[in-house]
Amino acid sequence: EVQLVESGGGLVQPGRSLKLSCAASGFTFSNYDMAWVRQAPTKGLEWVASISTGGGNTYYRDSVKGRFTISRDNAKSTLYLQMDSLRSEDTATYYCASRFAYWGQGTLVTVSS
Amino acid sequence: DIVMTQGVLPNPVPSGESASITCRSSKSLVYKDGKTYLNWFLQRPGQSPQLLTYWMSTRASGVSDRFSGSGSGTYFTLKISRVRAEDAGVYYCQQVREYPNTFGAGTKLELK
Repeated sequence: EVQLVESGGGLVQPGRSLKLSCAASGFTFSNYDMAWVRQAPTKGLEWVASISTGGGNTYYRDSVKGRFTISRDNAKSTLYLQMDSLRSEDTATYYCASRFAYWGQGTLVTVSS
Repeated sequence: DIVMTQGVLPNPVPSGESASITCRSSKSLVYKDGKTYLNWFLQRPGQSPQLLTYWMSTRASGVSDRFSGSGSGTYFTLKISRVRAEDAGVYYCQQVREYPNTFGAGTKLELK
């Protein structure tokens, strides 16, 4: 059974950092592009970043470029999202997704003083 | 960026009836390989999104054949036949033709 389990969310002050993890199991992680998608409270889905199978290609939405870094460890079957210089508008549930076919349950990030 | 614009459903939809959800893209989603890079998702209340169709009309694994995707390069429809209670939620279209991938704002389906 495919499982994606996010962790690392929480309450953080503006300007601080947080690192999300997504542990994958039930499929060959290294064969799949991965992505982070977020959803602000009561809002729609918003693509954040994607990474290729080997990690050599990464893509970001403009509003997080230079602040967020997506990465992966294929040996550990884990996806990461390093989030620096957090802003209140980054408050959302963050989902990891495998080619958008499989999704985790999400982890809530709240940026507030 | 490609803008995805979704239509509104005349809610609530009577159980057993059909419902069609529309989505328009600001640029063609047809890639040079001939495939149309359009996904449809359903997000039920309190749940993660579920992929329904990809490449505009290919149903994802385990998805009921009551869901069917169709369209052209810039105009798309998700048809739900014989609507059931478990189909309630918000439907999103997403283009994966190019980065940044973009979602529509969502279309809510409520059942009568």
